[in-house]
Amino acid sequence: DQQVKQNSPSLSVQEGRISILNCDYTNSMFDYFLWYKKYPAEGPTFLISISSIKDKNEDGRFTVFLNKSAKHLSLHIVPSQPGDSAVYFCAATAKAAGNKLTFGGGTRVLVKP
Amino acid sequence: DAGITQSPRHKVTETGTPVTLRCHQTENHRYMYWYRQDPGHGLRLIHYSYGVKDTDKGEVSDGYSVSRSKTEDFLLTLESATSSQTSVYFCAIKDRAGNQPQHFGDGTRLSIL
Repeated sequence: DQQVKQNSPSLSVQEGRISILNCDYTNSMFDYFLWYKKYPAEGPTFLISISSIKDKNEDGRFTVFLNKSAKHLSLHIVPSQPGDSAVYFCAATAKAAGNKLTFGGGTRVLVKP
Repeated sequence: DAGITQSPRHKVTETGTPVTLRCHQTENHRYMYWYRQDPGHGLRLIHYSYGVKDTDKGEVSDGYSVSRSKTEDFLLTLESATSSQTSVYFCAIKDRAGNQPQHFGDGTRLSIL
């Protein structure tokens, strides 16, 4: 039973356009959400996070939106660059569960020049 | 880059043999984690440690054991490796309790024939 789901396994976008990655969760106890980026043969790299008390967090080209009522979060990358081509994982954690991370299955993003 | 070194980076072994993977950190972080990454599953938590000699099970702990005798080292042992344990293994560290991102090493690719 996957508590965090990324329903799009892949996404292709033109350089300069917006990339939108989606993530759904089922556990209402989750109170902190993160996005990681992963290149081949490397470990995941932390990208951006959001606490459940907020609905938006922005860091440069990256913005994360949280809709608690829908149990949905999204990552927007604007503008997309070729170096953004990677696998993106969303993850969630709950203080009540010792802040252990639960990951989605990942979305592979390809940014075409 | 967070000071995390995983060794070995690649290993091929046979079913039934014992295998130990090492995670070494130079950050003096309290929390350390072992994950496995498999296609379609994202990263799944195997075991974690919240201090020297303090460890606990994660989501997929069967067939694995861990030890942490020093702050900087977290060992993952497969007592008798099985083909289902073929995977990429990632170590992660975190400084404090609460809502903080974990930082990952570059992984160990383990193949069990």
